[in-house]
Amino acid sequence: GESVGLHLPTLSVQEGDNSIINCAYSNSASDYFIWYKQESGKGPQFIIDIRSNMDKRQGQRVTVLLNKTVKHLSLQIAATQPGDSAVYFCAELKGGYSTLTFGKGTMLLVSP
Amino acid sequence: EADIYQTPRYLVIGTGKKITLECSQTMGHDKMYWYQQDPGMELHLIHYSYGVNSTEKGDLSSESTVSRIRTEHFPLTLESARPSHTSQYLCASSEPMTGSGNTIYFGEGSWLTVV
Repeated sequence: GESVGLHLPTLSVQEGDNSIINCAYSNSASDYFIWYKQESGKGPQFIIDIRSNMDKRQGQRVTVLLNKTVKHLSLQIAATQPGDSAVYFCAELKGGYSTLTFGKGTMLLVSP
Repeated sequence: EADIYQTPRYLVIGTGKKITLECSQTMGHDKMYWYQQDPGMELHLIHYSYGVNSTEKGDLSSESTVSRIRTEHFPLTLESARPSHTSQYLCASSEPMTGSGNTIYFGEGSWLTVV
């Protein structure tokens, strides 16, 4: 069936390192993708999005890469900080639909 | 910071009780959503609404019901709570999808425990 999933359940990094969180999706009809950050006890927060006609989009310390050939999405966080520790979810929106499908999260643990 | 509010944040109730989870947003968004999330797991859409008097079932079947009498308010009700309903319920809202993509804003969530 169609799914959005993450490769790794937990990623541990040192403060200052760059982090890469990966996401695989299987629905080639999806045309919009979002990364969310969810801290413990809170609702998901929007980080960055990308449309399917783009390969890369940059924000403040974050970059999202989209490889449509292999249906792969990644979130890169530069100079990771302890405050980046959270669960990160990717979500996809299918063209013509108006609801997001979320994948399983990756927990990012940042050590000082 | 999104202006979407959920109450209660935490609730413990007995089996068979009726419970309503409140959700309000002050952004004037037409679309609202309820997601269910178990600890450490992904979010599953259980209900959504396109606007006033519109309610739709989500991808995950749920025994809860919703109503949308006012644009800013989207309450979720469980008529008879069971332990299997123990979970976190997240409310969200967004502008109508125009095909260009729109951000969905989430509330802080309501943690429900049924004993």
